[in-house]
Amino acid sequence: GIQVEQSPPDLILQEGANSTLRCNFSDSVNNLQWFHQNPWGQLINLFYIPSGTKQNGRLSATTVATERYSLLYISSSQTTDSGVYFCAVETSGSRLTFGEGTQLTVNP
Amino acid sequence: DTGVSQNPRHKITKRGQNVTFRCDPISEHNRLYWYRQTLGQGPEFLTYFQNEAQLEKSRLLSDRFSAERPKGSFSTLEIQRTEQGDSAMYLCASSPLMRTGRAFFGQGTRLTVV
Repeated sequence: GIQVEQSPPDLILQEGANSTLRCNFSDSVNNLQWFHQNPWGQLINLFYIPSGTKQNGRLSATTVATERYSLLYISSSQTTDSGVYFCAVETSGSRLTFGEGTQLTVNP
Repeated sequence: DTGVSQNPRHKITKRGQNVTFRCDPISEHNRLYWYRQTLGQGPEFLTYFQNEAQLEKSRLLSDRFSAERPKGSFSTLEIQRTEQGDSAMYLCASSPLMRTGRAFFGQGTRLTVV
């Protein structure tokens, strides 16, 4: 099956810093989503981005499908950005395959 | 649109007992998915339904697990004879049929087997 690798596994920032999270995938995908898992466990949709670039406030994402990677950019990070960020891809019109996540800690 | 709802939020059970979880998807979504997440890992696919039909089951779904979506609306996931290894977060998601990669997740049910 498809492999999804996220880097870095852990990231510690000071409030106000910028960061880039990366997601590599091993095969062609139909769709790609970025999620933020909050401390209570819920997965919050950030971006649905099979290709191209999208922006939402301080967050933006770029997927280069031909090169099989996606990037999530967080600018001017805040403590509320802390949590685990997951990339998930869909290949066969059904299941999502998740990476292992990036644990982000933003310190005040 | 009230989002995906899961109940209960937390469940503690003794080994060997049966447990059942419920998921109410977003009302207009045809597809409903169950995932399991253990500590420090990403969610892993268990099974999914399109309307009331269960179309795919993962090898993770042992014969102690059964899922239903009887009227194509809510779904239940039952685990029989629970084992300590079943302790995990069980996540439900739904998506519209034409954009199946755009899934929305519930808050999950955290199961602890003691």
